[in-house]
Amino acid sequence: EAQVTQNPRYLITVTGKKLTVTCSQNMNHEYMSWYRQDPGLGLRQIYYSMNVEVTDKGDVPEGYKVSRKEKRNFPLILESPSPNQTSLYFCASSLEGYYNSPLHFGNGTRLTVT
Amino acid sequence: EDKVVQSPLSLVVHEGDTVTLNCSYEVTNFRSLLWYKQEKKAPTFLFMLTSSGIEKKSGRLSSILDKKELFSILNITATQTGDSAIYLCAVAKSNFGNEKLTFGTGTRLTIIP
Repeated sequence: EAQVTQNPRYLITVTGKKLTVTCSQNMNHEYMSWYRQDPGLGLRQIYYSMNVEVTDKGDVPEGYKVSRKEKRNFPLILESPSPNQTSLYFCASSLEGYYNSPLHFGNGTRLTVT
Repeated sequence: EDKVVQSPLSLVVHEGDTVTLNCSYEVTNFRSLLWYKQEKKAPTFLFMLTSSGIEKKSGRLSSILDKKELFSILNITATQTGDSAIYLCAVAKSNFGNEKLTFGTGTRLTIIP
């Protein structure tokens, strides 16, 4: 089944403890992206990647890192999480960039930083 | 600054009613406008619109784009309880290889049986 898989689904952590949220897609998509969703603010893009080893900042990249060493994986790294990074995170992918083909979203990771 | 504004923020109607959701935008280098439906989890794709005046239809849902007035509408006829969701509008732009997708905050639609 074609899908975008995120793990974990729920994560509670403490300020400053490094964490990684994994994202994997099995559709051979070139484009992958991370979003965070907050009430009243909608979905905001954190980072995106047009292809392997090509990543770029979105609207809210501060406090996050990403890497794209292989086409299928696009992990999101929080080196030193803070409470303002408590949010619902979505990974998404598309065949060749979202304006030509629609995004497929993962089921989300709800992160709480205390 | 790019803006995507959806209205209304929230809408409650009875099953069988017809609803119209609005999305207006201010984006340079417009490429496309997309509609997504978000129930409990991940947003799922509904429509992608790139040309003005051409209606896209899928069952009871339809959507149209006006690139002159910079807005789109999503219509749902004969609503059902399964249509209850947040509907998201997003606008894609491209600026010298800098890809960007800007989402609106969504319209929360509730269908009462």
